[in-house]
Amino acid sequence: AQTVTQSQPEMSVQEAETVTLSCTYDTSESNYYLFWYKQPPSRQMILVIRQEAYKQQNATENRFSVNFQKAAKSFSLKISDSQLGDTAMYFCAFTPTSGTYKYIFGTGTRLKVLA
Amino acid sequence: EAGVVQSPRYKIIEKKQPVAFWCNPISGHNTLYWYLQNLGQGPELLIRYENEEAVDDSQLPKDRFSAERLKGVDSTLKIQPAELGDSAVYLCASRPGPAGNTGELFFGEGSRLTVL
Repeated sequence: AQTVTQSQPEMSVQEAETVTLSCTYDTSESNYYLFWYKQPPSRQMILVIRQEAYKQQNATENRFSVNFQKAAKSFSLKISDSQLGDTAMYFCAFTPTSGTYKYIFGTGTRLKVLA
Repeated sequence: EAGVVQSPRYKIIEKKQPVAFWCNPISGHNTLYWYLQNLGQGPELLIRYENEEAVDDSQLPKDRFSAERLKGVDSTLKIQPAELGDSAVYLCASRPGPAGNTGELFFGEGSRLTVL
């Protein structure tokens, strides 16, 4: 079975500081995507960053970067220079690229950025 | 470009009443998903459509839930009769076909159901 585990239900960080959210996953697939989604209090989920499993280079998007460890099945999100607008639920997600595109989400990490 | 549109945003009903949620995906997106999101949890798949075909409905409680996507565009999710435990947010998401597929799922704002 494919699973996604986020072991940090809640985290907080001071504005302008750096925070890392953890995610581990389990799959027997060799080709897949990993994602971090952000869900602000308004509820609409938006994509933060995406990683293709066949790429060794870690994805980056401005202040957001990932540490992708394929052998360890780990996919952490680092937010640099945290801003108040980063306060949200963050979900790690996985989908195989084999055609089923069945997205599996973790239980989320609630991040609060403190002024 | 319009995003994924869902309605209603909020719905409060008495238990045993029916309820329906509507979703219009991004234009040209062949794949449509309905997810259930309980408070403080991640989304859980209810059903996935490829055009008008339901290709994965294994987690849809078919005794009370039904869904349709008749013309392969918009979709309706129905619950009849609703139970207290159905209180949750129902999310719709869509994804383009193979040509434009980056793997990203695009979500609507969700429909929050409260069953009293």
